[in-house]
Amino acid sequence: DTGVSQNPRHKITKRGQNVTFRCDPISEHNRLYWYRQTLGQGPEFLTYFQNEAQLEKSRLLSDRFSAERPKGSFSTLEIQRTEQGDSAMYLCASSLRTSGGDWKETQYFGPGTRLLVL
Amino acid sequence: KQEVTQIPAALSVPEGENLVLNCSFTDSAIYNLQWFRQDPGKGLTSLLLIQSSQREQTSGRLNASLDKSSGRSTLYIAASQPGDSATYLCAVSEPYNNDMRFGAGTRLTVKP
Repeated sequence: DTGVSQNPRHKITKRGQNVTFRCDPISEHNRLYWYRQTLGQGPEFLTYFQNEAQLEKSRLLSDRFSAERPKGSFSTLEIQRTEQGDSAMYLCASSLRTSGGDWKETQYFGPGTRLLVL
Repeated sequence: KQEVTQIPAALSVPEGENLVLNCSFTDSAIYNLQWFRQDPGKGLTSLLLIQSSQREQTSGRLNASLDKSSGRSTLYIAASQPGDSATYLCAVSEPYNNDMRFGAGTRLTVKP
């Protein structure tokens, strides 16, 4: 399967614990995005990478959240000192940004990691 | 700030019916608009992408239209089937922004 994969698919944790999620994008894609989706809402942008560089972060991404993409391939999203309000589906997407300034890329989404903070 | 609204929030139709899902956005300066499908507990599958210079896109039984000046898009599904049951999300991309703004989705149920 050459799609976007995310692990784990489900995570239950106690408030105050740290959690880390992993995303493996489609191999030739240079852009990787993280979104958060709460029940009954559409996904909300958190951050994105172009290769290994983190180029934009939403104000939704508090200082308890950190994302990395060390070698420009897989990415991790860590949440420290989790709170009940962090319970959500965390979605990863990847795309291929080509040169020439055309933003015609389609984002391909992974299955998501569902987090429940007790 | 761009806001994306989808109406209705939920829709139930009998199998075989043609239907229209609506999406509106507040800032017409978009780069493209995408329609996605999301099955319960799953990720998003891209259905159609319309560039701002385009009026519509078609894929099989799906047709998406875009009226940028009025800030509206519609997704038309012909001859609906129970397998079409899912949540349909629209999202807009803006020039010089790197994120997409999503609507809350329309939850579609097609009854056999």
